[in-house]
Parts: sequence; structure tokens; C-alpha cells
Amino acid sequence: GESVGLHLPTLSVQEGDNSIINCAYSNSASDYFIWYKQESGKGPQFIIDIRSNMDKRQGQRVTVLLNKTVKHLSLQIAATQPGDSAVYFCAEISFGNEKLTFGTGTRLTIIP
Amino acid sequence: EAQVTQNPRYLITVTGKKLTVTCSQNMNHEYMSWYRQDPGLGLRQIYYSMNVEVTDKGDVPEGYKVSRKEKRNFPLILESPSPNQTSLYFCASSRYGQGERNQPQHFGDGTRLSIL
Repeated sequence: GESVGLHLPTLSVQEGDNSIINCAYSNSASDYFIWYKQESGKGPQFIIDIRSNMDKRQGQRVTVLLNKTVKHLSLQIAATQPGDSAVYFCAEISFGNEKLTFGTGTRLTIIP
Repeated sequence: EAQVTQNPRYLITVTGKKLTVTCSQNMNHEYMSWYRQDPGLGLRQIYYSMNVEVTDKGDVPEGYKVSRKEKRNFPLILESPSPNQTSLYFCASSRYGQGERNQPQHFGDGTRLSIL
């Protein structure tokens, strides 16, 4: 069946460096993508989203890139801080389908 | 403060004893949903509701019931809990259904259930 997955389950980055978290999806009909951040003991928190008619979207210190040709999504975090340590999930949905499908998550650890 | 509130946050109970996890949102959202989160499996949708009195099955609905009698509340009911329902549960809401107008979901802080 369709699935959303992540290339790496864990990622360690030096504080101040940039982080890139990758996500592959298999449903070519997906047209809306979301990145969530989940800190220990909390629910997923919305970070940034992107629609399929875009290939890049920027927020505060975060950028999401979408490559529909290879069905790949990435989250870039600039100048990582200790507070960025968390599990990051990508999720996707198709227009008209109410189901939000999540990947299994990547744990980002910031090294002081 | 805009939020999704779940209760209880933690519960240990025994097989077969009916339980209800409540979920309430104060954002006047139409769409609400329940997920379970298990190691290595990510978040999987149990049930969702597009609006009052409208509910639909997600990916893993077996063993669960929901109701949506009013807009702000969306309780999750386990009529006869079993150990394989031990998990971390999240309630979420959004202004509209996800496939309708692309609105991100807001999540509660989770309920950890242990079924012995």
C-alpha cells in the first residue's frame, strides 16, 4: 500500500550547524505535506507545510523542499539549537482523502 | 489559549474493563481525529470526524468506538480493552478536513494507556 517513510531514524548535528531531515513518499497523488516536531512527553507540533504546486517554502529557520519527480520531501533547519532536539515526522495527504499518513519519524539530537 | 485537551494523561487498567479517553478542543474546529503511536510504526489514525454526528474509520479502528455529539468533544471508547491496545494515544483537531482545505492538525499532549 501507499506509505510515507524516512531515510534515517536518527540524526546527530552539532549545535549551530544546519540539519536536513529527509522523507520519501510513495503516493503520487499526495498533494499536501506537513512536517511535525514531537518533543518528549508532548504531542506533535506543526512546523511547516507545503502544497504540491510548490517546490520550496520557508519559515523561521526552517525550509521545506519538495521534489515531486522523485517523491522526496526534506526539512532543513538552520543554525540548530538545543531546543530543536526532538523527533520529526513528515506526513502527507491527498486531496479529497481525509487520512493523514505519517512517516515513522527521525530523532534529531543536537550536540553541544 | 487554543488547545486540545486529553484526559486522562496516564491510565493503567485491566483487560475487559471499559474505558473512555476524553478529548476536547476550544478552537471551534470541525475536524477531529484519534491516533495511536507505537514504536517503529509512527502515528496511525484510528477514527476521525468531519463534523458533529459524522465519524469514519481510519487505519486501525478495530476495538475502538468514538462519538461526536458536540463540536468540541470527541471521546475515544474502548469497550473491552486488550493488551494490544497498550499505546500512546493522541487526539487532534483542525479547522477543516485535511483533504478539503489543507489545514494542519493541532494535537493534544497524549494519553498513555497500559492494558494488563
